[in-house]
This record gives sequence, structure tokens and C-alpha cells, in this order.
Amino acid sequence: GAVVSQHPSRVICKSGTSVKIECRSLDFQATTMFWYRQFPKKSLMLMATSNEGSKATYEQGVEKDKFLINHASLTLSTLTVTSAHPEDSSFYICSARGQLNNEQFFGPGTRLTVL
Amino acid sequence: AQSVTQLDSHVSVSEGTPVLLRCNYSSSYSPSLFWYVQHPNKGLQLLLKYTSAATLVKGINGFEAEFKKSETSFHLTKPSAHMSDAAEYFCVVSLPNAGKSTFGDGTTLTVKP
Repeated sequence: GAVVSQHPSRVICKSGTSVKIECRSLDFQATTMFWYRQFPKKSLMLMATSNEGSKATYEQGVEKDKFLINHASLTLSTLTVTSAHPEDSSFYICSARGQLNNEQFFGPGTRLTVL
Repeated sequence: AQSVTQLDSHVSVSEGTPVLLRCNYSSSYSPSLFWYVQHPNKGLQLLLKYTSAATLVKGINGFEAEFKKSETSFHLTKPSAHMSDAAEYFCVVSLPNAGKSTFGDGTTLTVKP
């Protein structure tokens, strides 16, 4: 099946700094990418949907100025957590969907810890 | 609109016994349905999917699920649990060509020796 990678897999940063997480579709072109956040022992919460070359669509309650999403190419989307605070600590998962079907392929996730 | 309900937050079985994880959905249109598994601190792995073909769907690792439109259900089963099946399982519904998917709250499967 299609492969989606995320980098880094883990990141620890100080409060107030910004962190960028990359999501790449390795063997297919992802017209749409999704960013999710997962709290411990909870389900995935969709943060935003991004289509290549256009602005991301954010879910209600998600701060677009804090969680910057860029989908500059058909194989790369980035999520930047700006001015991170301890409450932003979470597991962030991206997924990518190609043009052919409705299946999403998930990345392995990035564990963000803000001290 | 679409939604999905996983009826059990926790399921505990003994190794070698059957597994049943229940999922009900609601959707205005014919949905696509998926089951994913997540092991601790890992990403999601697709177990199986239903996309309007055969109603009994076979997936990886011996799992299967049956789409029952009259009951709006998509329960996940496995005849014999293995210790390695212990994980979190998510039922997901999405509309064809929809922009996003809706996740259930997850079911934690525990397998006792």
C-alpha cells in the first residue's frame, strides 16, 4: 500500500518556540492531506484539511494562526506549531489521500512534548 | 452528515477466543467504512475497508467485518484472538469523495493469556 512518512517522530521543545512537522507521501500524489491531533487514550481529532496549492480548511476551535499548515506540493504538507506551550503537547498524525479512491493513508505520528 | 459510534470502549478476551468489536454508523449517503488498529505510540494501520463491493470484508491478520445496511453496523470480528492483537481499534466512516473522515472514539482490546 501507499506509504506516508512523518518527520520528526519525536520532538521536545521549550515553551515559546516553534516546531515544524513534515508529512510526505512517498509513492503517490496526495491531493488532500489531513492533520489530526490525538490526546492520550483518546480518538483522533481532525484539525485541518489541506489541498495542494490552496489554503487549509480548519476545524472549528482550531487556531489557524497557531497551527500553520502548508501544502506546497503533491507530496509534502507541513504543520508548524507556533509559540508552543505545554498544552500543545500531543501526538500529531497526518494522513494523505490520493486522487483515485477514498482511502486515507496515515503517517506514523509525531510525539510533541513542550516543556 | 455522518457519525460513528463504537459501542464498547473496552473489550477484554482470552487468547484463542473470538473477538467482536462493535461499530454503528449514520450517514446520509452510502458510506465507505474502515477499521484501523493503533498500537501504543504508533500510527494507524488499516485493517480492512468497505467501499460498496462485497458486504463481508476480509482484512489483514485474520480480521473481517460485515457491512449490514439494515442495522447500520460494521462490526469487526476475529475467530481467535492473539496476544499481539491487543491495541486500540478505530471505526471510521467517510462519504465517497468527501473531504474528511469521522472517527469513532476507539475500542481498547485487551487479550489475556
